[in-house]
Formats: sequence, C-alpha cells, structure tokens
Amino acid sequence: QVQLAESGGGVVQPGRSLRLSCAASGFTFSSNGMHWVRQAPGKGLEWVAVIWYDGSNAFYADSVKGRFTISRDNSKNTLFLQMNSLRAEDTAVYYCARDIIGSYGMDVWGQGTTVTVSS
Amino acid sequence: DIQMTQSPSSLSASVGDRITITCRASQSISSYLNWYQQKPGRAPKLLIYRTSSLQSGVPSRFSGSGSGTDFTLTISSLRPEDFASYYCQQSYRTPVTFGGGTKVEI
Repeated sequence: QVQLAESGGGVVQPGRSLRLSCAASGFTFSSNGMHWVRQAPGKGLEWVAVIWYDGSNAFYADSVKGRFTISRDNSKNTLFLQMNSLRAEDTAVYYCARDIIGSYGMDVWGQGTTVTVSS
Repeated sequence: DIQMTQSPSSLSASVGDRITITCRASQSISSYLNWYQQKPGRAPKLLIYRTSSLQSGVPSRFSGSGSGTDFTLTISSLRPEDFASYYCQQSYRTPVTFGGGTKVEI
C-alpha cells in the first residue's frame, strides 16, 4: 500500500542542523510533488515546503526560507529536508505528504517525526 | 500570501447532529480548497479536495461546497469517530496556507 515514513527527528541545540528523510513506497515516487508540513505543540498545521516531481522547482514558507532546503532522490524514493540554523520556534512534528497531481493538495501523509530545538 | 480564516475555532455537538464549518480566503482561490481531519497524535487525513470531491474511502456524510473565497465543510450526521480537528487548506498557489482549525467536541 501507499506509505510514507519520516525519520531523522530528535533534540538539537539552537543554531545547529538536522536532516529529515521521508521514505516512500507503494507508488511511483517520481510522478508526484512532495511537501513538508509541520505542527508545533498544541498548534495548527503549517506548510513548510514543496518540491516538484522531478526536483526542478521548490518553494518555501517565509519562516524557513534561506534556512531549510527540500530535496529528493527519485532513484531511492526518498524526500529530504535539510534544516540549518534551527530555532526554538522550529520545534514541531514534521510530516511529509504526497502532492495531489495538478494542485498543491496532499493526499497521503506520513506518521511524522518530532524535532525539538532546545539548549 | 493568501490568508485562510476558519470558523468556528471550536464547537460542541452531539452524535447525529448536522454541523457546518466555514473557511474564508483572503482572495479568490477558485475551487482550490481542501479539507483535512486530524485526530490527536495522528497525521492529518484528506477528506475533500477541490472544494467538493470526496477522497476515496471517506464516508458520504462529509461534503464540501463553495467557490471563490467562501467554502463550507458539512457533516450530515455526526458519528463518534468524527470528533476531531478539521483544517481547510488553499492549494491555489504557494505559499500553501491552512486555516487555523476547528475542533469538534462532544
């Protein structure tokens, strides 16, 4: 079945870096754009970034622009989020999600990985 | 950026009730409006895409309508498993934006 599985979360000090991964299975990964969405404790959903199916374009929320980089390896069915210069306000559960072809909706979600930025 | 305003932020209802959640966009988004359900500790789940298309496997008691800037999610007869948080999301352009959420409580 169609699945997404995030990994790489953890506790990190402010200013440090972390790389999240999202392993996809059960569908043709190279056919869909992919998103990262986060949710701070007790808060709503916040979109982070999207990358096109072929990696040719990527877009970011203003809150992470210049610090985070979304990328993908279609040969390994894996999505990444490189997070640099982390701040306390980046503390959240990070979800990867599959883009609905033709729009920026999200039809399949991973279970999430938790990132805590704290000294 | 397109702002999405959901109302109410919370509501109390009973099993069998009909409820409606409203989402308003700060500018026209055509029909590029999606709805998600999220239960505590779980990932969001797509319910409705492009305003009114029911995602596969989602019960028919869920429905969506609207266009332009004003949209609604309706649950025709609440079931116990429907008590959750609901989010709208515009997929018209980046940055993608979500509404603040509506918590449906017993």
